[in-house]
Formats: sequence, structure tokens, C-alpha cells
Amino acid sequence: NAGVTQTPKFQVLKTGQSMTLQCAQDMNHEYMSWYRQDPGMGLRLIHYSVGAGITDQGEVPNGYNVSRSTTEDFPLRLLSAAPSQTSVYFCASSHRNVHTLSSYEQYFGPGTRLTVT
Amino acid sequence: KQEVTQIPAALSVPEGENLVLNCSFTDSAIYNLQWFRQDPGKGLTSLLLIQSSQREQTSGRLNASLDKSSGRSTLYIAASQPGDSATYLCAVNEDSNYQLIWGAGTKLIIKP
Repeated sequence: NAGVTQTPKFQVLKTGQSMTLQCAQDMNHEYMSWYRQDPGMGLRLIHYSVGAGITDQGEVPNGYNVSRSTTEDFPLRLLSAAPSQTSVYFCASSHRNVHTLSSYEQYFGPGTRLTVT
Repeated sequence: KQEVTQIPAALSVPEGENLVLNCSFTDSAIYNLQWFRQDPGKGLTSLLLIQSSQREQTSGRLNASLDKSSGRSTLYIAASQPGDSATYLCAVNEDSNYQLIWGAGTKLIIKP
């Protein structure tokens, strides 16, 4: 298994540009999520999905859109990039025990380092 | 609102020492707690996951404990090695929707 893959690894955007960060997993996990990581702060949840066709907002959703048309893919779209969106973005996936509802461990991609000038 | 705190923010110890990293959380109603390792410029690697019904989990030289009533978890690293140098993060899953609440991490440096 490749696990969780993310592309690109690095990206520089100008203010106002749009782009899509790609995330894919080959573990048939129902849960996928996007986090951003900023210096000195914990990871913050942007959006998440509990299955194909289902998405929801996390802690910091403004300026980002997501869709989940397949179990494998969960792209993150920046609609109009702003310098405040300069960050490292991580995609993660997980599944859970349907009886106890306890989640299993989350698997992370290598991250995308985004700079907005 | 759940808050997760990791103290200290950075720790430097000589090689070979046993050490403990701390994680505290404000709401004891959690499903599980997970410890991760992050190397510079890399993604996160899951080290140990402790379900709310468990007291500890072990993997090699790592042992993680959980005390829900006091809102604390510790990650014990035995016989530290330079390769253990990384940032260690803890995160709690406080309900069934998979979301993790994160600490800011402890940056660990093991001096040869």
C-alpha cells in the first residue's frame, strides 16, 4: 500500500490565485481530513469527510472547499489564496470499529508546504 | 472546549537517558489518545494509540500511559538514541466523529 499520498510537496502562489491540493489513500478508509500546521500551534482541522459524498467543516474552514466523490480521493481547494493561508497542509485518513465507534489510528500524508505571496 | 497541552515545548537530553513527555487534556470524556512523531519537513507517524478503556500501550522502547480522571498521558522513551530526535505530538479523539484535538508538541533533541 502507498498509504496516504499528497501532491504537490511544495507550492508558491500569488495572492488571489486558486489551486487544488490533492490527497489520495489506498487503504479503503472511510474517514479523511485536512489539517493545517502553523509554527508553535497544534494541527487545526480544516474539513473532514466520513465517507464518499459526505463532507463537513472543521475548526478553520474559511477560504477552503472540499469534495469527496470517491472513497480514495479528498482534494482541498483554495478559492482565492491569501498570505494567511501560508502553512503546511496535511491530509489524513482513518477507519473505526463500527461496534465501539472508537477510531483507529490516523495515517498522515507527507504534507504540502504552501507559500502565498 | 477541549484543550490539549504539552509541556515542555522543547527538551534536550544526553543519549541513553530514559525520559518522559507529558500531555494533558481538559475534558476527560475522550475516546482515545494518540501519540505521533514528526521529523523536520516530514509528515506525522503514529506511535501509539490508547483507547479510553486502556491504561497503557507499549511498542518497543516506547510506553504510553493514560489517566483519564486526571486528564494526563505520558510517553516514556527508554534508553534514548539520537534517532529519537523529533517533535512528539499528542492528540485526543473526544467523540465518534474521528476529529482529533492536538497539542502543540514537544521538540526532543537527544545529544550523542
